[in-house]
Amino acid sequence: GAVVSQHPSWVICKSGTSVKIECRSLDFQATTMFWYRQFPKQSLMLMATSNEGSKATYEQGVEKDKFLINHASLTLSTLTVTSAHPEDSSFYICSARDGYNPAGELFFGEGSRLTVL
Amino acid sequence: AQSVTQLGSHVSVSEGALVLLRCNYSSSVPPYLFWYVQYPNQGLQLLLKYTSAATLVKGINGFEAEFKKSETSFHLTKPSAHMSDAAEYFCAVSVGAGGTSYGKLTFGQGTILTVHP
Repeated sequence: GAVVSQHPSWVICKSGTSVKIECRSLDFQATTMFWYRQFPKQSLMLMATSNEGSKATYEQGVEKDKFLINHASLTLSTLTVTSAHPEDSSFYICSARDGYNPAGELFFGEGSRLTVL
Repeated sequence: AQSVTQLGSHVSVSEGALVLLRCNYSSSVPPYLFWYVQYPNQGLQLLLKYTSAATLVKGINGFEAEFKKSETSFHLTKPSAHMSDAAEYFCAVSVGAGGTSYGKLTFGQGTILTVHP
Protein backbone atom coordinates (compact mmCIF):
# COMPACT_ATOMS: atom_id res chain seq x y z
CA GLY A 1 0.00 0.00 0.00
CA ALA A 2 0.86 3.65 -0.17
CA VAL A 3 3.46 4.84 2.28
CA VAL A 4 4.06 8.15 3.96
CA SER A 5 7.43 8.62 5.57
CA GLN A 6 8.51 11.16 8.14
CA HIS A 7 12.01 12.21 9.03
CA PRO A 8 13.43 12.42 11.60
CA SER A 9 11.63 9.98 13.86
CA TRP A 10 13.20 11.51 16.94
CA VAL A 11 14.79 14.90 17.44
CA ILE A 12 16.14 16.61 20.51
CA CYS A 13 17.05 20.27 20.30
CA LYS A 14 17.93 23.17 22.50
CA SER A 15 15.44 25.87 23.30
CA GLY A 16 15.54 28.68 20.75
CA THR A 17 16.64 26.58 17.82
CA SER A 18 14.56 25.62 14.80
CA VAL A 19 13.70 22.09 13.77
CA LYS A 20 12.52 20.86 10.39
CA ILE A 21 10.39 17.74 9.98
CA GLU A 22 9.87 16.21 6.56
CA CYS A 23 6.86 14.30 5.32
CA ARG A 24 7.16 12.38 2.08
CA SER A 25 4.67 10.40 0.08
CA LEU A 26 6.72 7.57 -1.33
CA ASP A 27 4.59 6.13 -4.09
CA PHE A 28 1.89 8.66 -4.83
CA GLN A 29 1.50 12.35 -5.43
CA ALA A 30 -0.05 14.21 -2.56
CA THR A 31 -1.58 17.56 -3.44
CA THR A 32 -2.70 17.90 0.15
CA MET A 33 -0.99 16.89 3.35
CA PHE A 34 -2.10 17.38 6.92
CA TRP A 35 -0.02 18.05 10.01
CA TYR A 36 -1.20 16.85 13.39
CA ARG A 37 0.17 17.30 16.86
CA GLN A 38 -0.27 14.78 19.64
CA PHE A 39 0.55 15.54 23.26
CA PRO A 40 1.26 12.64 25.62
CA LYS A 41 -1.83 10.60 26.39
CA GLN A 42 -3.96 12.87 24.22
CA SER A 43 -5.57 12.72 20.83
CA LEU A 44 -4.35 14.15 17.57
CA MET A 45 -5.07 17.77 16.90
CA LEU A 46 -5.00 19.09 13.37
CA MET A 47 -2.53 21.92 13.07
CA ALA A 48 -2.68 22.80 9.41
CA THR A 49 -3.49 21.69 5.91
CA SER A 50 -0.58 21.84 3.53
CA ASN A 51 -1.39 22.49 -0.12
CA GLU A 52 1.13 21.94 -2.86
CA GLY A 53 2.18 25.19 -4.42
CA SER A 54 0.18 27.43 -2.13
CA LYS A 55 0.08 28.63 1.43
CA ALA A 56 -0.90 26.29 4.20
CA THR A 57 -4.20 26.68 5.98
CA TYR A 58 -3.79 26.81 9.72
CA GLU A 59 -6.31 25.78 12.33
CA GLN A 60 -7.48 28.29 14.87
CA GLY A 61 -4.96 28.83 17.61
CA VAL A 62 -1.96 27.56 15.66
CA GLU A 63 0.75 30.16 15.14
CA LYS A 64 1.67 30.17 11.47
CA ASP A 65 4.88 32.08 12.10
CA LYS A 66 6.01 29.49 14.60
CA PHE A 67 5.02 26.42 12.62
CA LEU A 68 6.18 27.07 9.09
CA ILE A 69 4.84 24.69 6.48
CA ASN A 70 6.20 24.34 2.99
CA HIS A 71 4.73 22.03 0.37
CA ALA A 72 7.05 22.67 -2.53
CA SER A 73 6.49 19.43 -4.40
CA LEU A 74 3.81 16.80 -4.80
CA THR A 75 5.72 14.37 -2.61
CA LEU A 76 7.17 16.55 0.13
CA SER A 77 5.83 18.78 2.85
CA THR A 78 7.97 20.19 5.62
CA LEU A 79 7.07 21.52 9.04
CA THR A 80 9.58 23.82 10.67
CA VAL A 81 9.19 24.59 14.35
CA THR A 82 10.90 27.94 14.74
CA SER A 83 12.50 29.11 17.97
CA ALA A 84 11.39 25.95 19.69
CA HIS A 85 10.56 25.95 23.38
CA PRO A 86 9.93 23.08 25.79
CA GLU A 87 6.16 23.48 25.40
CA ASP A 88 6.59 22.61 21.72
CA SER A 89 7.74 19.14 22.70
CA SER A 90 5.23 16.78 21.17
CA PHE A 91 4.63 14.03 18.66
CA TYR A 92 4.05 15.46 15.21
CA ILE A 93 2.29 13.32 12.63
CA CYS A 94 1.64 14.05 8.99
CA SER A 95 -0.88 12.46 6.70
CA ALA A 96 -1.47 12.51 2.99
CA ARG A 97 -3.76 11.16 0.36
CA ASP A 98 -3.33 10.42 -3.28
CA GLY A 99 -4.21 13.52 -5.27
CA TYR A 100 -5.60 11.36 -8.06
CA ASN A 101 -7.91 9.57 -5.65
CA PRO A 102 -9.50 12.26 -3.50
CA ALA A 103 -11.91 9.80 -1.94
CA GLY A 104 -9.16 7.34 -1.14
CA GLU A 105 -7.49 6.42 2.08
CA LEU A 106 -5.61 8.94 4.15
CA PHE A 107 -2.15 7.60 4.95
CA PHE A 108 -0.24 8.57 8.06
CA GLY A 109 3.46 8.93 8.61
CA GLU A 110 5.27 7.22 11.45
CA GLY A 111 5.40 10.42 13.45
CA SER A 112 8.26 12.59 14.67
CA ARG A 113 8.89 13.03 18.37
CA LEU A 114 10.31 16.43 19.22
CA THR A 115 11.89 17.09 22.58
CA VAL A 116 13.00 20.62 23.32
CA LEU A 117 15.40 21.00 26.21
CA ALA B 1 -18.71 21.22 12.80
CA GLN B 2 -18.21 17.65 13.81
CA SER B 3 -16.98 15.96 16.97
CA VAL B 4 -16.23 12.52 18.28
CA THR B 5 -16.53 11.11 21.77
CA GLN B 6 -14.91 7.85 22.76
CA LEU B 7 -16.39 6.41 25.91
CA GLY B 8 -13.70 4.98 28.14
CA SER B 9 -10.09 6.03 27.92
CA HIS B 10 -8.98 2.54 28.97
CA VAL B 11 -10.50 -0.84 28.18
CA SER B 12 -9.09 -4.08 29.51
CA VAL B 13 -10.07 -7.53 28.26
CA SER B 14 -8.81 -11.05 28.52
CA GLU B 15 -7.29 -12.79 25.54
CA GLY B 16 -10.10 -14.42 23.60
CA ALA B 17 -12.78 -12.13 24.99
CA LEU B 18 -14.97 -9.74 23.04
CA VAL B 19 -13.53 -6.31 22.36
CA LEU B 20 -15.95 -3.37 22.33
CA LEU B 21 -14.68 0.17 21.93
CA ARG B 22 -17.33 2.84 21.90
CA CYS B 23 -17.52 5.87 19.67
CA ASN B 24 -20.26 8.46 19.29
CA TYR B 25 -20.16 11.25 16.80
CA SER B 26 -21.79 14.55 16.13
CA SER B 27 -22.05 15.94 12.64
CA SER B 28 -24.35 18.37 10.90
CA VAL B 29 -23.95 16.51 7.61
CA PRO B 30 -23.70 12.80 6.79
CA PRO B 31 -20.35 11.78 8.21
CA TYR B 32 -17.52 9.61 7.12
CA LEU B 33 -16.25 7.62 10.08
CA PHE B 34 -12.95 5.91 10.72
CA TRP B 35 -11.18 3.77 13.25
CA TYR B 36 -7.40 3.94 13.51
CA VAL B 37 -4.94 2.00 15.63
CA GLN B 38 -1.73 3.46 17.00
CA TYR B 39 1.12 1.46 18.47
CA PRO B 40 3.62 3.21 20.75
CA ASN B 41 5.73 5.85 19.01
CA GLN B 42 4.17 5.09 15.66
CA GLY B 43 1.77 6.76 13.30
CA LEU B 44 -1.78 5.65 12.71
CA GLN B 45 -2.99 2.68 10.75
CA LEU B 46 -6.48 2.57 9.30
CA LEU B 47 -8.57 -0.29 10.64
CA LEU B 48 -11.78 0.46 8.77
CA LYS B 49 -13.94 3.24 7.46
CA TYR B 50 -17.61 4.01 6.85
CA THR B 51 -18.37 6.07 3.77
CA SER B 52 -22.14 5.80 3.41
CA ALA B 53 -22.21 2.33 1.92
CA ALA B 54 -22.90 -0.74 4.08
CA THR B 55 -23.57 0.13 7.71
CA LEU B 56 -21.60 -2.87 8.96
CA VAL B 57 -18.00 -2.35 8.02
CA LYS B 58 -15.36 -5.03 8.20
CA GLY B 59 -11.75 -4.04 8.65
CA ILE B 60 -8.36 -5.56 9.10
CA ASN B 61 -7.28 -7.88 11.89
CA GLY B 62 -10.82 -9.14 12.47
CA PHE B 63 -12.26 -5.81 13.56
CA GLU B 64 -15.62 -4.51 12.47
CA ALA B 65 -17.83 -1.55 13.24
CA GLU B 66 -21.49 -0.75 12.74
CA PHE B 67 -22.77 2.67 11.81
CA LYS B 68 -26.00 3.42 13.67
CA LYS B 69 -27.43 6.73 12.62
CA SER B 70 -30.25 6.65 15.19
CA GLU B 71 -27.69 6.29 17.96
CA THR B 72 -24.99 8.42 16.30
CA SER B 73 -22.60 5.62 17.09
CA PHE B 74 -19.81 3.75 15.37
CA HIS B 75 -18.62 1.21 17.91
CA LEU B 76 -15.64 -1.02 17.13
CA THR B 77 -15.80 -4.71 17.93
CA LYS B 78 -13.75 -7.85 17.61
CA PRO B 79 -15.11 -11.24 18.68
CA SER B 80 -11.90 -12.56 20.19
CA ALA B 81 -9.07 -10.38 21.47
CA HIS B 82 -5.47 -11.21 20.74
CA MET B 83 -2.44 -10.01 22.65
CA SER B 84 -1.28 -8.17 19.55
CA ASP B 85 -4.44 -6.03 19.65
CA ALA B 86 -3.08 -4.11 22.63
CA ALA B 87 -2.72 -0.54 21.36
CA GLU B 88 -4.48 2.78 21.34
CA TYR B 89 -7.53 3.16 19.14
CA PHE B 90 -8.89 6.38 17.71
CA CYS B 91 -12.27 7.04 16.23
CA ALA B 92 -12.39 9.89 13.73
CA VAL B 93 -14.98 11.73 11.66
CA SER B 94 -14.75 13.78 8.51
CA VAL B 95 -17.25 15.30 6.15
CA GLY B 96 -17.78 14.70 2.49
CA ALA B 97 -15.65 13.17 -0.16
CA GLY B 98 -13.44 14.90 -2.63
CA GLY B 99 -11.57 18.13 -2.16
CA THR B 100 -9.51 18.82 0.88
CA SER B 101 -12.29 18.34 3.37
CA TYR B 102 -12.10 14.57 3.11
CA GLY B 103 -8.75 14.42 4.80
CA LYS B 104 -9.62 16.86 7.54
CA LEU B 105 -10.26 14.45 10.36
CA THR B 106 -11.50 15.17 13.84
CA PHE B 107 -10.28 12.56 16.29
CA GLY B 108 -11.72 11.24 19.49
CA GLN B 109 -9.71 11.17 22.67
CA GLY B 110 -8.48 7.66 22.11
CA THR B 111 -9.02 4.38 23.97
CA ILE B 112 -6.13 2.31 25.21
CA LEU B 113 -6.87 -1.38 24.87
CA THR B 114 -5.08 -3.74 27.21
CA VAL B 115 -5.27 -7.48 26.62
CA HIS B 116 -4.51 -9.82 29.51
CA PRO B 117 -3.34 -13.39 28.98
